Amino acid sequence: DAKTTQPNSMESNEEEPVHLPCNHSTISGTDYIHWYRQLPSQGPEYVIHGLTSNVNNRMASLAIAEDRKSSTLILHRATLRDAAVYYCILREGLYNFNKFYFGSGTKLNVKP
Amino acid sequence: DAGVTQSPTHLIKTRGQQVTLRCSPKSGHDTVSWYQQALGQGPQFIFQYYEEEERQRGNFPDRFSGHQFPNYSSELNVNALLLGDSALYLCASSFRTSRSYEQYFGPGTRLTVT
Repeated sequence: DAKTTQPNSMESNEEEPVHLPCNHSTISGTDYIHWYRQLPSQGPEYVIHGLTSNVNNRMASLAIAEDRKSSTLILHRATLRDAAVYYCILREGLYNFNKFYFGSGTKLNVKP
Repeated sequence: DAGVTQSPTHLIKTRGQQVTLRCSPKSGHDTVSWYQQALGQGPQFIFQYYEEEERQRGNFPDRFSGHQFPNYSSELNVNALLLGDSALYLCASSFRTSRSYEQYFGPGTRLTVT
C-alpha cells in the first residue's frame, strides 16, 4: 500500500500563508496525490489533487517535487475556518476505482 | 442538491451483535466507498462498490460486508462486533468516470461497541 508521511501538527497565524508538507517516497508513476481536510465533527472534504504538475484552485495550491517523492499544500491566506486535519493521500491511478490511503494527517491550528 | 447522507448518526451495540449502516450517495454518483476512522486516526479504506459489486477491498476481515442497491445507495454490515470496531464509519461517493475521482464524504455514523 502507498504511504504518506506528514507532521502531526502545525500552527499558523490568521491571514498568513501556510505550507503543509507531505513525503511519499514510495509513490509509483501512476499514483495521484490528493489532499483532503477534515473539519471537526465532519467528514473529509476535497481540497486539491495532482499527478506531476503544480496545481491551483480556489482553495489552495499544490506544489509537487520534480521526483514526485514529496508535495506541499499551500494555503495562501489562512483563516480560522481553515483549522482542520489535512490529509495527504495517494490514489492508485492504475484502475478507474478509487482506493484512497489516508495517513494520520496534519492538524493545523490557526491563531487569530 | 443533497450531499452524501448516512444513517443512523450514532449507534450503541454490544459485543457479538451485528450492525447495519446505511449510505445514500450524492445525486449523480454511482460509486460508494466505506471507511473506518478510529479516534485520532485517519480513515481506513474498507471497500468500494460499483454496479452493485465489491470492486476494491482494504485489509478488513470478512465480518465486514456490504451491499449496493440499484439506486446506488449502500449498506455496511458488521457481524460479531468487537470492542475494537468502535469508530466513526464514513461513506464516500464518487462518479466513476470523473477525471478528478473526487470523493464526497458523508458526516459518518459513530458506532460504539460495549
